[in-house]
Amino acid sequence: KAGVTQTPRYLIKTRGQQVTLSCSPISGHRSVSWYQQTPGQGLQFLFEYFSETQRNKGNFPGRFSGRQFSNSRSEMNVSTLELGDSALYLCASSHWFSGGAGDTQYFGPGTRLTVL
Amino acid sequence: GESVGLHLPTLSVQEGDNSIINCAYSNSASDYFIWYKQESGKGPQFIIDIRSNMDKRQGQRVTVLLNKTVKHLSLQIAATQPGDSAVYFCAETINTGANSKLTFGKGITLSVRP
Repeated sequence: KAGVTQTPRYLIKTRGQQVTLSCSPISGHRSVSWYQQTPGQGLQFLFEYFSETQRNKGNFPGRFSGRQFSNSRSEMNVSTLELGDSALYLCASSHWFSGGAGDTQYFGPGTRLTVL
Repeated sequence: GESVGLHLPTLSVQEGDNSIINCAYSNSASDYFIWYKQESGKGPQFIIDIRSNMDKRQGQRVTVLLNKTVKHLSLQIAATQPGDSAVYFCAETINTGANSKLTFGKGITLSVRP
């Protein structure tokens, strides 16, 4: 079956703009998690959605938000972009729990966001 | 606080040799651990996992060892191949079901010499 897909793959924005990234999970998966990956900070958890509800949240400012639709597809939004938001944004899906034992989390290829 | 760290940022091995990638974790309450592999331009890919009630688990060419006494996790890759070249991450979680979330280490680059 198809893997996790993310769109767009690459994005260039300027400071102050906002951006919306999209993630389509593996069919049948209901949990979608978002991560930010940078060379300095590594992989950091942003938030997780399950059944259209945010179930977990990492330590990111309120400029980072997300949502999940009834078909489990998810979007994340970053408002008022800053230079430090340049990163690879990864989406991952699983059946039930993002960190649950035995419930493997599958990652998409990511969206590379560059903020100028 | 919780942290997962890797001892070395890079590891270079000869093709055909065995590789050992080490990881330290600080939260003694963590009970589930995963190794991921990330190739250039791709997202992390699940390799193998282990629960805290085990100290060893084997997969195809890979073995994960868990030492809870010293809070140490390692990934062993047998007969390392060029396709194993990637960044490897360890991740930990306290498996509380709906509140589970993974904490990732910084990543270590494995480079395989032909």
